[in-house]
Amino acid sequence: QSVLTQPPSVSGAPGQRVTISCTGSSSNIGAAYDVQWYQQLPGTAPKLLIYGDTDRPSGVPDRFSGSTSGTSASLTITGLQAEDEGDYYCQSYDSSLSGWVFGGGTKLTVL
Amino acid sequence: EVQLVQSGAEVKKPGESLKISCKGSGFNFPTYWIGWVRQMPGKGLDWMGIIYPGDSDTRYSPSFQGQVTISADKSIDTAYLQWSSLKASDTAMYFCVAGQHLEIGDYWGQGTLVSVSS
Repeated sequence: QSVLTQPPSVSGAPGQRVTISCTGSSSNIGAAYDVQWYQQLPGTAPKLLIYGDTDRPSGVPDRFSGSTSGTSASLTITGLQAEDEGDYYCQSYDSSLSGWVFGGGTKLTVL
Repeated sequence: EVQLVQSGAEVKKPGESLKISCKGSGFNFPTYWIGWVRQMPGKGLDWMGIIYPGDSDTRYSPSFQGQVTISADKSIDTAYLQWSSLKASDTAMYFCVAGQHLEIGDYWGQGTLVSVSS
């Protein structure tokens, strides 16, 4: 059971927009700790996609955007592409556990 | 270019010890937090712990405290994850991850696959 809750799967057609939710609590997202999103393509290591709730590292397309509200965060992908297919994880810091917490991951399928 | 290069895959028996490594390059290693993340077959990411090589400040997830040891040698820009007695349930891919801030994993290693079976 992950501390952060994500939907197991989402899907969309090429060109469409999808949103992945991430629900936490008052000891992590709700405590204003930054939320990060990682993309893990099949057979590869995770890669930082969004940090500090909304910021993109250099090289990440602006099709990817993040937001937070209260104890939840969201990752939105617009103009979906076939190469976006993979697993997406949210992550934050938890004051009760004094460490990182992850969501269970969401498998994105591009139809 | 920032790189984290991890040691190769390991095949071990239950009860054996193991130490895997993660060598950083392209960044000021002692000033980055280096964490370890487990991914069991077909499963999600589990945070194990983190170390600041500059002063060896180390934090562990409650789930992994006492089960593994995280260390680092800043003179050779390398972090380590070790087990004193492996179990079959330790079979997983292990990733190291580096970040300028405690909470963020900026860069990831390629992963080390550990297989434990009798």
